[in-house]
Amino acid sequence: DSGVTQTPKHLITATGQRVTLRCSPRSGDLSVYWYQQSLDQGLQFLIQYYNGEERAKGNILERFSAQQFPDLHSELNLSSLELGDSALYFCASSVSWSSYNSPLHFGNGTRLTVT
Amino acid sequence: AQKVTQAQTEISVVEKEDVTLDCVYETRDTTYYLFWYKQPPSGELVFLIRRNSFDEQNEISGRYSWNFQKSTSSFNFTITASQVVDSAVYFCALSEAGYQGAQKLVFGQGTRLTINP
Repeated sequence: DSGVTQTPKHLITATGQRVTLRCSPRSGDLSVYWYQQSLDQGLQFLIQYYNGEERAKGNILERFSAQQFPDLHSELNLSSLELGDSALYFCASSVSWSSYNSPLHFGNGTRLTVT
Repeated sequence: AQKVTQAQTEISVVEKEDVTLDCVYETRDTTYYLFWYKQPPSGELVFLIRRNSFDEQNEISGRYSWNFQKSTSSFNFTITASQVVDSAVYFCALSEAGYQGAQKLVFGQGTRLTINP
């Protein structure tokens, strides 16, 4: 058990809808990262927050947004969903602001299916 | 630009065989970290190892060993005496030390390893 908690485990929704994925980092970790794993794109970095502030952006669509709250949990909001957004969404956390300085510990992921 | 290539898409071996998973990386930085993660059928990503670009010593952990060679930009992973429980997708990843690169891991496409009884 990595200590990173993601909810829900599975989510099925229709095109055009909006969903929110939630992540609680390991105790003591200040950084939260979001990754998307799809069959065609593999594992892609979306966005990182450190201690409540956005730190880095990757291949995140404009329809997607995220935030990190004062208690350090994070939410990833996906809107105007398309079939191609179906994927496994991972949250990861680390102690430092950099994935270079400390390893990322991943949650079990949220599997999103858009129908 | 940073890139990780795992040329072996799928590997299938019989239990107790040794198996090596290849990883080749590209980076312009002289300072970086390399990682291996395991994704079992249950789906989670499990951290296995992190290796600094300045440390080329091979590492062994039980049946697992890693061979880092900067000269060939490779960071290969060997499982000795494989077991059915080793069946998983294995990912190699790279994190650069530069400001932007340090924020993310760049993953290879993964190698699906199947250990048959």
